[in-house]
Amino acid sequence: SQKIEQNSEALNIQEGKTATLTCNYTNYSPAYLQWYRQDPGRGPVFLLLIRENEKEKRKERLKVTFDTTLKQSLFHITASQPADSATYLCALGMDTGRRALTFGSGTRLQVQP
Amino acid sequence: DAMVIQNPRYQVTQFGKPVTLSCSQTLNHNVMYWYQQKSSQAPKLLFHYYDKDFNNEADTPDNFQSRRPNTSFCFLDIRSPGLGDAAMYLCATSRGLAGGSDTQYFGPGTRLTVL
Repeated sequence: SQKIEQNSEALNIQEGKTATLTCNYTNYSPAYLQWYRQDPGRGPVFLLLIRENEKEKRKERLKVTFDTTLKQSLFHITASQPADSATYLCALGMDTGRRALTFGSGTRLQVQP
Repeated sequence: DAMVIQNPRYQVTQFGKPVTLSCSQTLNHNVMYWYQQKSSQAPKLLFHYYDKDFNNEADTPDNFQSRRPNTSFCFLDIRSPGLGDAAMYLCATSRGLAGGSDTQYFGPGTRLTVL
């Protein structure tokens, strides 16, 4: 069955370092992949989208890579700040057929000052 | 500001007592979604509307129903809430774009407690 895996253990890093979060998937051939940020008790907020034919996407301190051979996406936050502390969800989507996204359970990032 | 609004933010109901959660949007988006999210879990899609076209997920229990009377509003009805239905319920919208650019805009969620 289709599966999306994100590290369930929290990632703790020091302020100023680069945080790298991983999203792996199996039995899935997504056309695109999205990353969302979710703060406690709030709804997710869209951050970045990357398509299957794109290797890398950047937005300010954020960078996403998408490797369809490894079936993996990496999400990087450079020069991390305590305000970046949140749960980060990846979501996979298709161009045809099922319209809705399928979300992973997210990885909690804690940036220590 | 254009946004997705959910009311109430917190809802307490009794076991078996019907409850309705509401969602409204000022984004004029074609698609509206309802998700259930339990602690440390992925948002689980219950159903979505593309305009008036209702799309139910295969594993959504019959206990959950939805209505979309117009573009702006969408309701989630839980006919007989059980203890296992306690969760955060998230409403989201999207434009309904083809080609994979369809990002979702979420409301703040309604936290449902079942006593």
